[in-house]
Amino acid sequence: QKEVEQDPGPLSVPEGAIVSLNCTYSNSAFQYFMWYRQYSRKGPELLMYTYSSGNKEDGRFTAQVDKSSKYISLFIRDSQPSDSATYLCAMSASSGAGSYQLTFGKGTKLSVIP
Amino acid sequence: DTAVSQTPKYLVTQMGNDKSIKCEQNLGHDTMYWYKQDSKKFLKIMFSYNNKELIINETVPNRFSPKSPDKAHLNLHINSLELGDSAVYFCASSQGGGAREAFFGQGTRLTVV
Repeated sequence: QKEVEQDPGPLSVPEGAIVSLNCTYSNSAFQYFMWYRQYSRKGPELLMYTYSSGNKEDGRFTAQVDKSSKYISLFIRDSQPSDSATYLCAMSASSGAGSYQLTFGKGTKLSVIP
Repeated sequence: DTAVSQTPKYLVTQMGNDKSIKCEQNLGHDTMYWYKQDSKKFLKIMFSYNNKELIINETVPNRFSPKSPDKAHLNLHINSLELGDSAVYFCASSQGGGAREAFFGQGTRLTVV
């Protein structure tokens, strides 16, 4: 079993829809949870990160973490064509001496159709 | 002003050659990373450097060697290139080795023919 599981999609939704992206993980040592967005032929860019279980909201984006179920989600409200990208979940755990190792999911490719 | 920059953006080379990819960050971060993204878009860490010390080294062939002349640069040298090395290589940086807010470069698309 991989440490981080993410459905690769592709996921296609109409403009204005609510999008739900999810990842599950197996490593209880993960402490920080992140979502990155990657446009085609670009580097990943950090969208959101959270430490504790619960919800964190930033504009149209909401990140949700459930540590007891080892499950994280990203919700996008009022999706726009500009949201079309690959979304990667990422998690980090301490690898000792104050450093952390980041583990990525495989990414979900999202297309928002006008 | 680009935060993390990599050169070259594209690299096409023959099997057996030796090549280097350069990375520079102007964010003042103390940790830099190299990631490999394969054809299935899976992003996997290769190396990280904190204060000029290698702190993570995944199961990467020793044909790959990171070189950090200073805190702002982490170059990747690859010897005896193989077809399977074809991928997109991303440089990233973060502060404090936290890997929480890692900033990525644009990537170098390496094609070995």
